[in-house]
Amino acid sequence: DQQVKQNSPSLSVQEGRISILNCDYTNSMFDYFLWYKKYPAEGPTFLISISSIKDKNEDGRFTVFLNKSAKHLSLHIVPSQPGDSAVYFCAATYRGSTLGRLYFGRGTQLTVWP
Amino acid sequence: NAGVTQTPKFQVLKTGQSMTLQCAQDMNHEYMSWYRQDPGMGLRLIHYSVGAGITDQGEVPNGYNVSRSTTEDFPLRLLSAAPSQTSVYFCASSTRIGPGTDTQYFGPGTRLTVL
Repeated sequence: DQQVKQNSPSLSVQEGRISILNCDYTNSMFDYFLWYKKYPAEGPTFLISISSIKDKNEDGRFTVFLNKSAKHLSLHIVPSQPGDSAVYFCAATYRGSTLGRLYFGRGTQLTVWP
Repeated sequence: NAGVTQTPKFQVLKTGQSMTLQCAQDMNHEYMSWYRQDPGMGLRLIHYSVGAGITDQGEVPNGYNVSRSTTEDFPLRLLSAAPSQTSVYFCASSTRIGPGTDTQYFGPGTRLTVL
């Protein structure tokens, strides 16, 4: 049973525009959320995270928004750049869980074209 | 710091063969885990360890064994390889203490093909 869902397998955006990647979760115990970026032939790398006590976290061009009531989070990339083309994974965990276990979505392939 | 290292990068096996995927980290992280990535399936947890001598199963453990005799190393053993185990395998680690404890650091992956 997929507890973290990324319903869009792919997204295509023009350079300079905003990219919005969405993620939904079903487990109300999740209290910490992360986004990872993955290039081909490399391991995933941590991008940004948010705690459930916040509704927004910003890091440069990347902002993550959390809507707890809707069990929904989104990653905004502004402005999008060709180097952002990668697979983005949403992940979630809860502090009382099995000591750091992350639950991943299936990923969204972002393509930023010039 | 080398971070998380994995060997080999590529491996081809015949059905029924066994092998060990190696994973090592030099960050003194307590938590280590193995994932497999299949097309359209995201990252699925195979096994994890919260410290030396302690391991547990993830969501897809069948056909794999792990052990954790040191903090640094967490090898994944395929006992009798099957074509269904063709995948890309990632090892990850994280600390359990202090800020950022939920951030896992991934190795570069091992691409395994079972014929």
